[in-house]
Amino acid sequence: GIQVEQSPPDLILQEGANSTLRCNFSDSVNNLQWFHQNPWGQLINLFYIPSGTKQNGRLSATTVATERYSLLYISSSQTTDSGVYFCAVARYDYKLSFGAGTTVTVRA
Amino acid sequence: DVKVTQSSRYLVKRTGEKVFLECVQDMDHENMFWYRQDPGLGLRLIYFSYDVKMKEKGDIPEGYSVSREKKERFSLILESASTNQTSMYLCASRIQVPSYGYTFGSGTRLTVV
Repeated sequence: GIQVEQSPPDLILQEGANSTLRCNFSDSVNNLQWFHQNPWGQLINLFYIPSGTKQNGRLSATTVATERYSLLYISSSQTTDSGVYFCAVARYDYKLSFGAGTTVTVRA
Repeated sequence: DVKVTQSSRYLVKRTGEKVFLECVQDMDHENMFWYRQDPGLGLRLIYFSYDVKMKEKGDIPEGYSVSREKKERFSLILESASTNQTSMYLCASRIQVPSYGYTFGSGTRLTVV
């Protein structure tokens, strides 16, 4: 299967700081998703982004498919941004392979 | 508010028991998924169903089976529970469009003793 590597594994931020999370993948994909899992375990879909750039409020994501990586940007971080961020990819639509995640802690 | 509901938040079962994990969605989604989540491994796909009575194996189907008799319900079955199946189990659904987001349930933490 496709290998997915996320970095850094852990990130501690002061409220208001900006950060970048990275996702590298080992093969071409036609599906790439970013998810956020809050401290209570609920997973939320953030972006569907197999290529290009998208923005949603303080979050944005960029995928450079030809170089097999994706970046998730968090700007002006808030304590509610804490949790685990997962990147997931698939060569053929549904069979997503997840990375191990980046654990983000935002301190007030 | 649309929802994916998993029947139990916490479950403790004995080794060798047959275990049923239930998942119900109210969004008329075609696709449903079962994942397990373990520390450091992310989520791994156990089984996938793209429509009623249709199923496909994911990456780690051994020791599991599934049932989807109705569109809204997708059940994961552990035929004979073992301690290495202690994990967090997550159900998800979506419509059959790649760009459409996944909706996850809140998870079932299963402990097999």
